[in-house]
Amino acid sequence: AQTVTQSQPEMSVQEAETVTLSCTYDTSENNYYLFWYKQPPSRQMILVIRQEAYKQQNATENRFSVNFQKAAKSFSLKISDSQLGDTAMYFCAFMEASGTYKYIFGTGTRLKVLA
Amino acid sequence: DAGVTQSPTHLIKTRGQQVTLRCSPKSGHDTVSWYQQALGQGPQFIFQYYEEEERQRGNFPDRFSGHQFPNYSSELNVNALLLGDSALYLCASSLRGDTQYFGPGTRLTVL
Repeated sequence: AQTVTQSQPEMSVQEAETVTLSCTYDTSENNYYLFWYKQPPSRQMILVIRQEAYKQQNATENRFSVNFQKAAKSFSLKISDSQLGDTAMYFCAFMEASGTYKYIFGTGTRLKVLA
Repeated sequence: DAGVTQSPTHLIKTRGQQVTLRCSPKSGHDTVSWYQQALGQGPQFIFQYYEEEERQRGNFPDRFSGHQFPNYSSELNVNALLLGDSALYLCASSLRGDTQYFGPGTRLTVL
């Protein structure tokens, strides 16, 4: 069974600085998708970034980028120029590409951006 | 373009009662997934509906059931509520199971 591990329960970063959130996963599949979602206190889960395992190029969305290491089964999220609005829970999620269609989430990292 | 909507926002029930939660998917999406998120935890997959049928199911008892309507909206029903069913219930929609977009959730409290 697939598992997703986020080993940093809480992190903090100064405004305008850069922070990296870690995620590792375990799977025997070769094709899959990885996601980072942000859940602010409003509770709505918001998609931050998506990575397809067959693509070697790391995904980037504005200030958010990932470091995808397929062999190491690692998928970290880098937030550059951190803003107060980035304060939230961040969840890493895994989905097989071949038919299960369900997400497996990690336990989350609580990120606080300090003014 | 409306995103995923859920109702109600909050709900308080007592043990043994039954509850129905509702979800309308994002425009153009045909697949609805339901997740349970306990306090301080990541969401856990309950089940997914596609073409009005349950396509996948997580490790949840039969007390949890669902339905998808021809307009792709969905309901989650929970019977014989237990204290442990208190959680945030999230609905997510997608096109044929691809990237999922989440609603704001329904907070269920069981007393």
